[in-house]
Amino acid sequence: TQLLEQSPQFLSIQEGENLTVYCNSSSVFSSLQWYRQEPGEGPVLLVTVVTGGEVKKLKRLTFQFGDARKDSSLHITAAQPGDTGLYLCAGASGFGNEKLTFGTGTRLTIIP
Amino acid sequence: DVKVTQSSRYLVKRTGEKVFLECVQDMDHENMFWYRQDPGLGLRLIYFSYDVKMKEKGDIPEGYSVSREKKERFSLILESASTNQTSMYLCASSARGQGEFQPQHFGDGTRLSIL
Repeated sequence: TQLLEQSPQFLSIQEGENLTVYCNSSSVFSSLQWYRQEPGEGPVLLVTVVTGGEVKKLKRLTFQFGDARKDSSLHITAAQPGDTGLYLCAGASGFGNEKLTFGTGTRLTIIP
Repeated sequence: DVKVTQSSRYLVKRTGEKVFLECVQDMDHENMFWYRQDPGLGLRLIYFSYDVKMKEKGDIPEGYSVSREKKERFSLILESASTNQTSMYLCASSARGQGEFQPQHFGDGTRLSIL
């Protein structure tokens, strides 16, 4: 069974600070996704990274896929209270009907 | 927008009962998934289906079964509910990929308590 470890598990910071969340595995993935989940709702896809070394930006969020496609990071610049939520990474092993392996999650709280 | 609807937001059942969780999607997706979500463990796949009447076990299928009689509906069944099945259950659907990743779209979850 493939495992994805996320760190930190919990993170609480002041509004305006920067932060990085990590997603690590010993397995290679064909693509990696980041989801955000808010209380009472299901996860919502933020981004998909496919190529080793790929960097994608979504406003203040920067996602990077490791060169070996085994790890990923999410960096948030100038965090806002609206960034609060549970962040989940998920790896896919192939293209098509493949299953996703989800990470353990990082619960982020931005204090106004 | 894709909509995945789970029949109940909250459900309380007793040990030994047979429990049905229903999920319907409106985007004609081929793939459907059932996960459970527990703190510190992320989402774990219970069962998934690539087509009508087709099912495959995920990582934690014990104590569960599924049914997919129609393309839009995927049901999760707890044959004899136990307290360790108290959890948040999430349903998801995705289109069949054609050489590229197809994202999964999630419902809002059913929080199930087994007493």
